[in-house]
Amino acid sequence: DAKTTQPPSMDCAEGRAANLPCNHSTISGNEYVYWYRQIHSQGPQYIIHGLKNNETNEMASLIITEDRKSSTLILPHATLRDTAVYYCIVRVSNTGNQFYFGTGTSLTVIP
Amino acid sequence: DADVTQTPRNRITKTGKRIMLECSQTKGHDRMYWYRQDPGLGLQLIYYSFDVKDINKGEISDGYSVSRQAQAKFSLSLESAIPNQTALYFCATSDSELLDTQYFGPGTRLTVL
Repeated sequence: DAKTTQPPSMDCAEGRAANLPCNHSTISGNEYVYWYRQIHSQGPQYIIHGLKNNETNEMASLIITEDRKSSTLILPHATLRDTAVYYCIVRVSNTGNQFYFGTGTSLTVIP
Repeated sequence: DADVTQTPRNRITKTGKRIMLECSQTKGHDRMYWYRQDPGLGLQLIYYSFDVKDINKGEISDGYSVSRQAQAKFSLSLESAIPNQTALYFCATSDSELLDTQYFGPGTRLTVL
């Protein structure tokens, strides 16, 4: 599975959009991009995933570049409860291979 | 996620003791996983199971063993606990029919003195 690169930390003002970048320049054609988050010592929580098209759900939007070498997770209106570590993972779906979580981006939402 | 439960939630034990951590799920998923997380680091996979008769080692299986007693239950054992096994342990489940998205339990904080 491809490796990912994320900034170690970011801040975002409450109510503003939080845009979390992820680079995955070695992604293969059959690898999905997954995003999870972990709120202080809790179990990681699934947010969203995509293959090549942009995706949106009730939690976030995922924008994947046309060459698929990078993506951005967007939290449209960040709240204090969105403060967490966000993990970007690329992985071939349904193979049973593990998710490599890395160290993620620590997002702090500031009041 | 309340559909994945872990017991105990906290445990303090001594070096050399045998410890069992248990995981149960009501999601009906076929796949289950055990991860550990050290402070400030990401999760590392210990063992995973695709169904009741299938057990696979992850990247850090030494010093651990697992048992898949039923589709809904997956337990992790530390045969002889050592201090560097002090960590946060997470169980996860996934459904092979649903793109393998993993759902995590609340975690067990284990301290080995």
